[in-house]
Amino acid sequence: GENVEQHPSTLSVQEGDSAVIKCTYSDSASNYFPWYKQELGKRPQLIIDIRSNVGEKKDQRIAVTLNKTAKHFSLHITETQPEDSAVYFCAASITGGTSYGKLTFGQGTILTVHP
Amino acid sequence: DAGITQSPRHKVTETGTPVTLRCHQTENHRYMYWYRQDPGHGLRLIHYSYGVKDTDKGEVSDGYSVSRSKTEDFLLTLESATSSQTSVYFCAISERGEQFFGPGTRLTVL
Repeated sequence: GENVEQHPSTLSVQEGDSAVIKCTYSDSASNYFPWYKQELGKRPQLIIDIRSNVGEKKDQRIAVTLNKTAKHFSLHITETQPEDSAVYFCAASITGGTSYGKLTFGQGTILTVHP
Repeated sequence: DAGITQSPRHKVTETGTPVTLRCHQTENHRYMYWYRQDPGHGLRLIHYSYGVKDTDKGEVSDGYSVSRSKTEDFLLTLESATSSQTSVYFCAISERGEQFFGPGTRLTVL
């Protein structure tokens, strides 16, 4: 089955700096890669996703890049703010067919943004 | 937030007792999932459903069963709860790949 590795496990930055979180996946058939943000005691919230026919996607201060050949994808947050502090999870899945969109998650990255 | 609710939100039970968690959606999404979240393990898939009465096992299904008799409801049952099933349980729904999560149920098995 799919295996997703996420690094780093913790990341500490100063407000205004950029933050980068990286994930690798093992199944070359995976074609959908979402990122979730989870604040303490809350549900995971989808913040951005990318499909395998696209190399990069941006949404304001957040961007995701995908390298299918190397089987890795990354989350980039620019101009970080204290409210970006949370746990971030990457995931991978195969959409369509009989895979039914099952997500395999990375272990999570605790991002702390210091004012 | 998508129209997903979970009940109960918190539960404390004793080892060996049966427990049922409910996930209810108002989005009419076809796919529903149950995950558990534990420190150091992220979110792991327990069971999922791809339609009414259509369910299958996920990565960590031992000790759990599910049922889906209506599009809007997906039930997770622990037949005989064990301390290793102490966790936070999240339900998720999906129609075209994007998964949206419910608020979670914190279950403690003493």
